[in-house]
Amino acid sequence: SQQGEEDPQALSIQEGENATMNCSYKTSINNLQWYRQNSGRGLVHLILIRSNEREKHSGRLRVTLDTSKKSSSLLITASRAADTASYFCATDASGAQKLVFGQGTRLTINP
Amino acid sequence: DGGITQSPKYLFRKEGQNVTLSCEQNLNHDAMYWYRQDPGQGLRLIYYSQIVNDFQKGDIAEGYSVSREKKESFPLTVTSAQKNPTAFYLCASSVPGTKDTQYFGPGTRLTVL
Repeated sequence: SQQGEEDPQALSIQEGENATMNCSYKTSINNLQWYRQNSGRGLVHLILIRSNEREKHSGRLRVTLDTSKKSSSLLITASRAADTASYFCATDASGAQKLVFGQGTRLTINP
Repeated sequence: DGGITQSPKYLFRKEGQNVTLSCEQNLNHDAMYWYRQDPGQGLRLIYYSQIVNDFQKGDIAEGYSVSREKKESFPLTVTSAQKNPTAFYLCASSVPGTKDTQYFGPGTRLTVL
């Protein structure tokens, strides 16, 4: 079964608005990562947050982690057309030897 | 330029044929991975390797095989035993272990005719 599940599955907003997507997971983790995938391309790493961190920023990205609720959110502020992509969370369950990816959120930024 | 490359970008295969997808990295990463992605879906792990001459099955290894004879290379063979091989295949690498940031290649889209 999937360790990470994103919500919503698809999100469409106007350029300039903020976009928020969520990831829930089932077991204890060491860290959680977010990746972006443009259509037909490989994934690009965006940000990693460790289990002892609650919030992390990188440019227009803000990630939060709530280990008590087993959830994370990715906020993209002041969205641009170039942010149109699918966004995946990936978790490394404690004791596991691999990352597990969720099914992704498809984000569309309308000009 | 450091990076991870996959070839070919598009691959067509007749049913019953084996086909090998190439993955090469010059990042000096120990760990390498193969994922399968179906339309609108997430990534599913096929095989991974943490070190040369060693590899482990992922969640959907049936019908696939790999080798890791060199640190830089991790080819994936899709065999005729894979019942539904049409998909987008992604290779990735990471350092030093298997839980860290992964760097992805551009992918190979395999279509079985």
